[in-house]
Amino acid sequence: QTVVTQEPSLTVSPGGTVTLTCASSTGAVTSGYYPNWFQHKPGQAPRALIFSTSNKHSWTPARFSGSLLGGKAALTLSGVQPEDEAEYYCLLYYGGAWVFGGGTKLTVL
Amino acid sequence: EVQLVESGGGLVQPGGSLRLSCAASGFTFSDCWMHWVRQAPGKGLVWVSRIHSDGSSTAYADSVKGRFTISRDNDKNTLYLQMNSLRADDTAVYYCARGYGSGLVDYWGQGTLVTVSS
Repeated sequence: QTVVTQEPSLTVSPGGTVTLTCASSTGAVTSGYYPNWFQHKPGQAPRALIFSTSNKHSWTPARFSGSLLGGKAALTLSGVQPEDEAEYYCLLYYGGAWVFGGGTKLTVL
Repeated sequence: EVQLVESGGGLVQPGGSLRLSCAASGFTFSDCWMHWVRQAPGKGLVWVSRIHSDGSSTAYADSVKGRFTISRDNDKNTLYLQMNSLRADDTAVYYCARGYGSGLVDYWGQGTLVTVSS
């Protein structure tokens, strides 16, 4: 069974920078896993941020960026805002099926 | 404006069945792959199923394979999820989401709650 692992929780100060990562139990995450990143706040629909590793949607704030880092997919938030406090999920493609990571609860404090 | 509206959730007994619908508007539905994703209470997002734009190909998470069936009606711009042999651990908010190929999932609906309990 494929497992996608994210940091359970991270804390960042307003204006700071934080990097969330996404690892696969099958080995290094590459562009062929087409990493997607989503932001999810309670009571709301998830919001897509990044697709295919590093591509932003038209609505994605400039402070969000995606990359591959040390064999993992990564989401970096630069100049964090209070409204960025949320759960963040990565999604990886495994040749026909997709698997979400367990999510990272980001606290802005 | 892209809109995805789920319906059909509710309370069902273990072993029962339910069919969810997702009405799409604001885009060319027949061009898009579609996904179902769920979130159990207090848990994370879990990918459930995907269907190709023309319905020719489907895929399922192991946890629902053989019990759930995804389908679509491109004339009605509607996605479906037929859920049979429901179990307590199927209790979740079910979301539909739009996709393009392997690399992109973008718009999501607001979700519909399914509760499996006696």
